[in-house]
Amino acid sequence: QQQVKQSPQSLIVQKGGIPIINCAYENTAFDYFPWYQQFPGKGPALLIAIRPDVSEKKEGRFTISFNKSAKQFSLHIMDSQPGDSATYFCAASGASGSARQLTFGSGTQLTVLP
Amino acid sequence: KAGVTQTPRYLIKTRGQQVTLSCSPISGHRSVSWYQQTPGQGLQFLFEYFSETQRNKGNFPGRFSGRQFSNSRSEMNVSTLELGDSALYLCASSLDMGVTEAFFGQGTRLTVV
Repeated sequence: QQQVKQSPQSLIVQKGGIPIINCAYENTAFDYFPWYQQFPGKGPALLIAIRPDVSEKKEGRFTISFNKSAKQFSLHIMDSQPGDSATYFCAASGASGSARQLTFGSGTQLTVLP
Repeated sequence: KAGVTQTPRYLIKTRGQQVTLSCSPISGHRSVSWYQQTPGQGLQFLFEYFSETQRNKGNFPGRFSGRQFSNSRSEMNVSTLELGDSALYLCASSLDMGVTEAFFGQGTRLTVV
């Protein structure tokens, strides 16, 4: 019940394309859903996050869509650039107890071709 | 404002040895969590510390332990190292317990030979 399932495992798009990464969760105690970006040799960097009271959040070229009833959320990267090539992780956490730590998806390796 | 600082960045140890990793959180942040990252298991939660007390623990053996000091700096220790402990160990800093925004350090790459 603690799992967060992420797909696809890898994704290749052309510059300017809109890669979409999807995540699904089971634990209804989760109420915070961040996305992290990780470059080789670096730690994950917080990109954008959403709570279940909104269905969409945009920050620059990054958009999270959230479907509470389906327990799914996704990351869209508008006008993708080669510099966006990285591994992206979705995560989820809740307010208390064992849900409070971040539970991560398995990651998506994104390659944006020039 | 300085980010999360982890030391050392790289470490090579022999099976059976023990190791201590250090994490200095963002100034003013009082909650520190540790994660293990491996290609096979991904990012897995180890433990969380707040006010020098362990608040939450993941599903890892007792060989993995940690502590937090009064200045919020944290250390984690792994005793009797096994080959499978080779991983990137990441520290995450949050302003307070229950505050969900977590900021990661660059990690310590531990290799057990």
